[in-house]
Amino acid sequence: RKEVEQDPGPFNVPEGATVAFNCTYSNSASQSFFWYRQDCRKEPKLLMSVYSSGNEDGRFTAQLNRASQYISLLIRDSKLSDSATYLCVVNTGGGNKLTFGTGTQLKVEL
Amino acid sequence: EADIYQTPRYLVIGTGKKITLECSQTMGHDKMYWYQQDPGMELHLIHYSYGVNSTEKGDLSSESTVSRIRTEHFPLTLESARPSHTSQYLCASSDRKDDISYNEQFFGPGTRLTVL
Repeated sequence: RKEVEQDPGPFNVPEGATVAFNCTYSNSASQSFFWYRQDCRKEPKLLMSVYSSGNEDGRFTAQLNRASQYISLLIRDSKLSDSATYLCVVNTGGGNKLTFGTGTQLKVEL
Repeated sequence: EADIYQTPRYLVIGTGKKITLECSQTMGHDKMYWYQQDPGMELHLIHYSYGVNSTEKGDLSSESTVSRIRTEHFPLTLESARPSHTSQYLCASSDRKDDISYNEQFFGPGTRLTVL
């Protein structure tokens, strides 16, 4: 079983739709959680950190459920420019080593 | 934009050649990392460094080696390239505050390596 699992998609949605991505992690000792965005043939970039209380950044909302070892990302009013692969990322233990999921591909269409 | 650079961006080379992938950052970050990513697959950590003269192997076994003689520079070397080394190699860096707290990892643009 992979340490971080995501539905690879692709999710094809119309512009303006709301879309949700889920992610599960296997190590209950995981301490920090993030969503990164990776455009085609580009490097990953941090989208947002995920806090226990849930957090929101504009159209993006991230949730963490430690009991179920589950992380989610909600994108509201999706834009064409949101088309990318969204990587669920988990930091386990100290030292800032990150474990990446395979990513969920989002395609926003007119 | 992050100040982390990788060269070359693309490299096509024959089997058996020695290659060095360069990575430099101008942010003064203590921590640096090398990841390997195949198309459609997740990033795998192959090497990391927490400072000068500190290097560790990552979670994915790799035949490559690294060095960290200067804070800003973290080159990766393959002594004898093989077709199985064909992949994208991404370098990243982060600031060190303590071992527990997280600091954002900034990625370079990557090197696409093809070994014929």
